[in-house]
Amino acid sequence: EVQLVESGGGLVQPGGSLRLSCAASGFTFSRYSMSWVRQAPGKGLEWLSYISSYSTAIYYAGSVKGRFTISRDNAKNSLFLQMNSLRDEDTAAYYCARGAYCNDDGVCPLSSFDSWGQGTLVTVSS
Amino acid sequence: DIQMTQSPSSVSASIGDRVTITCRASQGISSWLAWYQQKPGKAPELLIYAASILQGGLPSRFSGSGSGTDFTLTISSLQPEDSATYYCQQTDNFPYTFGQGTKLEIK
Repeated sequence: EVQLVESGGGLVQPGGSLRLSCAASGFTFSRYSMSWVRQAPGKGLEWLSYISSYSTAIYYAGSVKGRFTISRDNAKNSLFLQMNSLRDEDTAAYYCARGAYCNDDGVCPLSSFDSWGQGTLVTVSS
Repeated sequence: DIQMTQSPSSVSASIGDRVTITCRASQGISSWLAWYQQKPGKAPELLIYAASILQGGLPSRFSGSGSGTDFTLTISSLQPEDSATYYCQQTDNFPYTFGQGTKLEIK
């Protein structure tokens, strides 16, 4: 069974930093692209960042580019999101999501997200 | 960025009704369109990918259609457990973008 478990959320002051983790199990993590998606309270879904299976392709939404950094450790089946210079509007539930199965060269097709974690809540407030 | 616009923003329907939700992309996205269902307090769940392919294990009352800029999610016979918010998402290019959501309520 595919499982994605986020952790690392919490309360942080504006301007602060936080590092989210996503522990994957039940599938060959190193062969899949991954993304982070967030949802502010009572609002819709916002895609934040994407990383290919071997970290050769990385993309960000404009709202977080330059402040957030996505990374992964395939040996530890883990995905990360380093969040710096946090703002009030970054308050949200943060989800990791599984994308496409990638080829042996780490090239990943475009893809929807077929598995999601339960989310971790980040609150930015003074 | 590609803008995704869903309509309606909310809909109320009765058990057994046929419900249709539309999603329009600001530019052509071929068939790179997914639909998700989200229930309160839960993570989204993939319903439809590649515009019309039903995710495995899901009931056949859900179907998707469309290509280019206009897409539709149809629930053929509404069930109580279908009460949720539905989102479309384009995966044609980055940044991936979601529609604003359609809240479906049961009368």
